[in-house]
Amino acid sequence: KAGVTQTPRYLIKTRGQQVTLSCSPISGHRSVSWYQQTPGQGLQFLFEYFSETQRNKGNFPGRFSGRQFSNSRSEMNVSTLELGDSALYLCASTTLTGSYEQYFGPGTRLTVT
Amino acid sequence: QKEVEQNSGPLSVPEGAIASLNCTYSDRGSQSFFWYRQYSGKSPELIMFIYSNGDKEDGRFTAQLNKASQYVSLLIRDSQPSDSATYLCAVNMGDDKIIFGKGTRLHILP
Repeated sequence: KAGVTQTPRYLIKTRGQQVTLSCSPISGHRSVSWYQQTPGQGLQFLFEYFSETQRNKGNFPGRFSGRQFSNSRSEMNVSTLELGDSALYLCASTTLTGSYEQYFGPGTRLTVT
Repeated sequence: QKEVEQNSGPLSVPEGAIASLNCTYSDRGSQSFFWYRQYSGKSPELIMFIYSNGDKEDGRFTAQLNKASQYVSLLIRDSQPSDSATYLCAVNMGDDKIIFGKGTRLHILP
């Protein structure tokens, strides 16, 4: 079974630009969640999608948004990038049937200059 | 301000001993609790999910949840050098916001 894939793996953007990151969950997993990890703030929850609907959202500004497609693939978008958005963005794929299992992708390293 | 607190460590434990990691949280309405392991330069791995008071065991790992005292702990029995990592506690607060602690660095001494 293929794992969680994230694209791109590395990205360099300029302040003010926008970026879209993609996550493909494990086949059969319908929940995808996104996280931001920085050395200063640690791991922070961004949002979770299940069956194309956002189930919950962390405390991030509206510049951070996401969506999920019918095939469970998810994208997150950050508009008007700021230097502080430089981080590792992780997505996780979760099965909510039976036992709770969650697997993280390798992450997208975003650098804003 | 909803918070999850962990001792940053490093916590040094001899090989074969029990490693005990603790996590406290601020919101009494918190519903579910997670322990993750993260090796340096790698993505987190979920090692325990618990939502009921009491103990949950999975192999060498035991999670202990006490909602009245607002803490959740992780015990690692027969600690191995491969258990050396950062352990993150996360709590799903009552409003479905998931808050992470800053993690505890665990070092198993051979």
